[in-house]
Amino acid sequence: GAVVSQHPSRVICKSGTSVKIECRSLDFQATTMFWYRQFPKQSLMLMATSNEGSKATYEQGVEKDKFLINHASLTLSTLTVTSAHPEDSSFYICSATPGDTDTQYFGPGTRLTVL
Amino acid sequence: QKEVEQNSGPLSVPEGAIASLNCTYSDRGSQSFFWYRQYSGKSPELIMFIYSNGDKEDGRFTAQLNKASQYVSLLIRDSQPSDSATYLCAVMLNNAGNMLTFGGGTRLMVKP
Repeated sequence: GAVVSQHPSRVICKSGTSVKIECRSLDFQATTMFWYRQFPKQSLMLMATSNEGSKATYEQGVEKDKFLINHASLTLSTLTVTSAHPEDSSFYICSATPGDTDTQYFGPGTRLTVL
Repeated sequence: QKEVEQNSGPLSVPEGAIASLNCTYSDRGSQSFFWYRQYSGKSPELIMFIYSNGDKEDGRFTAQLNKASQYVSLLIRDSQPSDSATYLCAVMLNNAGNMLTFGGGTRLMVKP
């Protein structure tokens, strides 16, 4: 149980395009999902907390207009990187918390490369 | 002072030995503690969680929590080369909702 999927696993795009990443909880309902970013050889950095049916809470320094988060249902959250630039190239990872626990289960991650 | 601290390593142990990974945290009111393993290029996977003082064992893994001293550790018995990874300590700080604060991770290398 507690499986989280992400799609796509890898994306390469040109500078200026927008990229949407989906995060799904496959076998549980997730009232809360989290989005992280990880640069090479660095630790996870929390970008935002996503609650179903409400606006996401962004961490300091994360531009909400650049990283659009939509938590449309109890099993799906999306992160859209708008007008991506090479400095946005990173490993984006989501996690989800089942409603009855405080344990975060991570998706497999999406590697974004912006040319 | 960082909220969750780990020695970045690398920690090198021979195959079959016990690997001991340590983590300290600053918020005395923290209630939930997690250990994740992250292989290079992959996302973190949950190894164990612990809420109460003392030891919690799961197979070759033992988590130890000491709230008075504000540290949590992970012991890996009979270490295998496949255990070579970065181990992330995560703490749910008091009044942080379900948000986790991660340490920087300790890189473990198990030599055959």
